[in-house]
Amino acid sequence: DTGVSQDPRHKITKRGQNVTFRCDPISEHNRLYWYRQTLGQGPEFLTYFQNEAQLEKSRLLSDRFSAERPKGSFSTLEIQRTEQGDSAMYLCASSLVSEELFFGEGSRLTVL
Amino acid sequence: QKEVEQNSGPLSVPEGAIASLNCTYSDRGSQSFFWYRQYSGKSPELIMSIYSNGDKEDGRFTAQLNKASQYVSLLIRDSQPSDSATYLCAVSGSNYKLTFGKGTLLTVNP
Repeated sequence: DTGVSQDPRHKITKRGQNVTFRCDPISEHNRLYWYRQTLGQGPEFLTYFQNEAQLEKSRLLSDRFSAERPKGSFSTLEIQRTEQGDSAMYLCASSLVSEELFFGEGSRLTVL
Repeated sequence: QKEVEQNSGPLSVPEGAIASLNCTYSDRGSQSFFWYRQYSGKSPELIMSIYSNGDKEDGRFTAQLNKASQYVSLLIRDSQPSDSATYLCAVSGSNYKLTFGKGTLLTVNP
């Protein structure tokens, strides 16, 4: 399978714990995006990378969220001190610059 | 704040009919326009992209773009029950970062 891969697919955690999601993009894609989606809403932009450089981070994103893309390959999204409001689907997508975004299956987070 | 507006629906059409989905956007500098389909519990899947004014057809799908009116639409001909899903409109500018609407829920009734 050469699509975008995300891990884990589901994560249940207790409030206050840290969680980390991983995304492996399509291999030749140099752009990688993180979005968050809650029920009944469209995907909301969080951050994106071109190669290893983080080009933009949403102003809505608190400092509890951090993302990395070492060596321009896979990316991780970490949420520290999780809150119930963090419960959502976290979507990763990749693309070539100026091309369409292709999404992974998502990582669903439930914070109890 | 760049906005993309869609009627949340639900839009219900009978099998075999034409489904018409609409989207407006606020940023006149937007350059690329996309329609994604999202089944319940699944991730968005790209079905159409359009970059210039006019119509673009792909099988049963036609995307229409009118930049002067800041309006983009998706027509689905011969709608099938398998087309039942949420359709997301997405818009990007020169940085190729997508802004999504909330989506329109389409139900095709057999």
